[in-house]
Amino acid sequence: EAGVVQSPRYKIIEKKQPVAFWCNPISGHNTLYWYRQNLGQGPELLIRYENEEAVDDSQLPKDRFSAERLKGVDSTLKIQPAELGDSAVYLCASSSQLDGKGDEQFFGPGTRLTVL
Amino acid sequence: GQNIDQPTEMTATEGAIVQINCTYQTSGFNGLFWYQQHAGEAPTFLSYNVLDGLEEKGRFSSFLSRSKGYSYLLLKELQMKDSASYLCAVKGFNKFYFGSGTKLNVKP
Repeated sequence: EAGVVQSPRYKIIEKKQPVAFWCNPISGHNTLYWYRQNLGQGPELLIRYENEEAVDDSQLPKDRFSAERLKGVDSTLKIQPAELGDSAVYLCASSSQLDGKGDEQFFGPGTRLTVL
Repeated sequence: GQNIDQPTEMTATEGAIVQINCTYQTSGFNGLFWYQQHAGEAPTFLSYNVLDGLEEKGRFSSFLSRSKGYSYLLLKELQMKDSASYLCAVKGFNKFYFGSGTKLNVKP
């Protein structure tokens, strides 16, 4: 079974430029998460989707970040414009509430963003 | 507020046993997870506790005390490949909170 797929794996941009990350969750997983992880820190939740509905976006900086999950499958996270402080690894994860493990999350490999 | 505390870094010897502690204060509790994360890689699931007690899975065990807001991850027969960060995560009311992780260094 394929895992969570993310692209690109690495992205280097100049500040004030836009950037987008893409995530394809595990087939059948209705819950999708976007996290940001800074070096030496744990993942910080940005947004969580249940199917196509964003049920928790309280930590998403809405002035510059946006996300969508059309048709409740793939998702895109966008930053516009990027700032130096946005440099981090952006992780996508998915889970199924039916797996009996209380929402065990499966993580993608992440996108390492560097803003110059 | 939400708070998850774990030691920043630990060092242990190959073949030994190490215990990584996690204390938490969160809004609601619906389970505690431990994840392993090697440098530059994504976190991978290790264990899940929702009831008090010990869950054993091979060389890894995880313990939970809900009344004390406390968990630990026990790694036995340490191997060099166990060098990684170990993340404690708590599921509150439909929200996940991750600790900053404990970097474990296993030395020969």
